Amino acid sequence: NAGVTQTPKFRVLKTGQSMTLLCAQDMNHEYMYWYRQDPGMGLRLIHYSVGEGTTAKGEVPDGYNVSRLKKQNFLLGLESAAPSQTSVYFCASSVQGAPRGNTEAFFGQGTRLTVV
Amino acid sequence: AQKVTQAQTEISVVEKEDVTLDCVYETRDTTYYLFWYKQPPSGELVFLIRRNSFDEQNEISGRYSWNFQKSTSSFNFTITASQVVDSAVYFCALSERGNNRLAFGKGNQVVVIP
Repeated sequence: NAGVTQTPKFRVLKTGQSMTLLCAQDMNHEYMYWYRQDPGMGLRLIHYSVGEGTTAKGEVPDGYNVSRLKKQNFLLGLESAAPSQTSVYFCASSVQGAPRGNTEAFFGQGTRLTVV
Repeated sequence: AQKVTQAQTEISVVEKEDVTLDCVYETRDTTYYLFWYKQPPSGELVFLIRRNSFDEQNEISGRYSWNFQKSTSSFNFTITASQVVDSAVYFCALSERGNNRLAFGKGNQVVVIP
């Protein structure tokens, strides 16, 4: 029962470095999301995808890029990391639409990223 | 645009007291879905409950209960006889049938004092 798996779990980057966070789900979900969680801000949506080959901007997309080349994977990229991107990143997946309606989102364990 | 407001930031209660968390939402869609999640100190997000907009039946599950009122756009959550293990951040979330996003409130930090 893997569910949603995020790698890595922790990472420290220097300002200007790049990295990719990987999210993998084994539930055959169409929808996948990337959120960031900061103290007092709740979870804010960065980008999301409604299916393989599709991506869309969320609430705070600047400084991030995403790709969904395979249905089970959703990658989040930071091209040039900045200290403001220090955060905990969560990936999630869900089922939306007919016939069951929008189900709950299943979350990964999170990635704690520090940019120094 | 969809919006979720959790006005209370931190709530402290003594063990065995009840605690109610308020959630107010905004949506233009007639079909939508509401959720509560729990985030314990370990950091993972645990799904608690889902409610459809067309199902206003309130529910009790053990020490948890939910009060969904469309007339006031509220989806409140109550923990009865709180325990130390209930200490966590609780998030209310909303998704709309016509919108692909899942929006969260800022969360309520619940601290249960033994």
